[in-house]
Amino acid sequence: AQSVAQPEDQVNVAEGNPLTVKCTYSVSGNPYLFWYVQYPNRGLQFLLKYITGDNLVKGSYGFEAEFNKSQTSFHLKKPSALVSDSALYFCAVRVYGGSQGNLIFGKGTKLSVKP
Amino acid sequence: DVKVTQSSRYLVKRTGEKVFLECVQDMDHENMFWYRQDPGLGLRLIYFSYDVKMKEKGDIPEGYSVSREKKERFSLILESASTNQTSMYLCASTQALLNGSPLHFGNGTRLTVT
Repeated sequence: AQSVAQPEDQVNVAEGNPLTVKCTYSVSGNPYLFWYVQYPNRGLQFLLKYITGDNLVKGSYGFEAEFNKSQTSFHLKKPSALVSDSALYFCAVRVYGGSQGNLIFGKGTKLSVKP
Repeated sequence: DVKVTQSSRYLVKRTGEKVFLECVQDMDHENMFWYRQDPGLGLRLIYFSYDVKMKEKGDIPEGYSVSREKKERFSLILESASTNQTSMYLCASTQALLNGSPLHFGNGTRLTVT
């Protein structure tokens, strides 16, 4: 079955430290992968995507993500976390066929950055 | 910038009422979506539409219907609201999902059914 998993419900980091939010996927064919962020009482905002090309993609607010085909992962990273990065992060993957409207989301990871 | 507007931020309805959630996008996008967001369950697709008057069921369509009479507007209808439909509802749109265009989301409607 095609799926996307975010193994951590919550990630805690200190301000200034690097952060990683994990995502793994299982799809048939070439994956299109996305990261979105949701601040409290808001909708989701697009951060970055991988379609093809360089495995390291850069996005908004200093975030980047590394596509690893052999490990079927697309982890979100930032070299130096800010308190304002505290939010809910969703990984998403395009799927082929099925009823999901071609895009399915992970369950989300809550990132908490402490001063 | 793409703007996706959901008509209500908060709604409180009674069990059995018919509820309309409205969504409008201003970028002439072909595809529109309704998701439901619940803690620990992430986003689940209710319905999507890839053209005017076209609709397809998502993962959890039971108890919901949709209407897309104009390209910019996609309405979610709860035919007879129940307490288990208390949730955050998110509308989204995109021009061409198949080529990797990202979704643009509204700010959500938090519906409480009492």
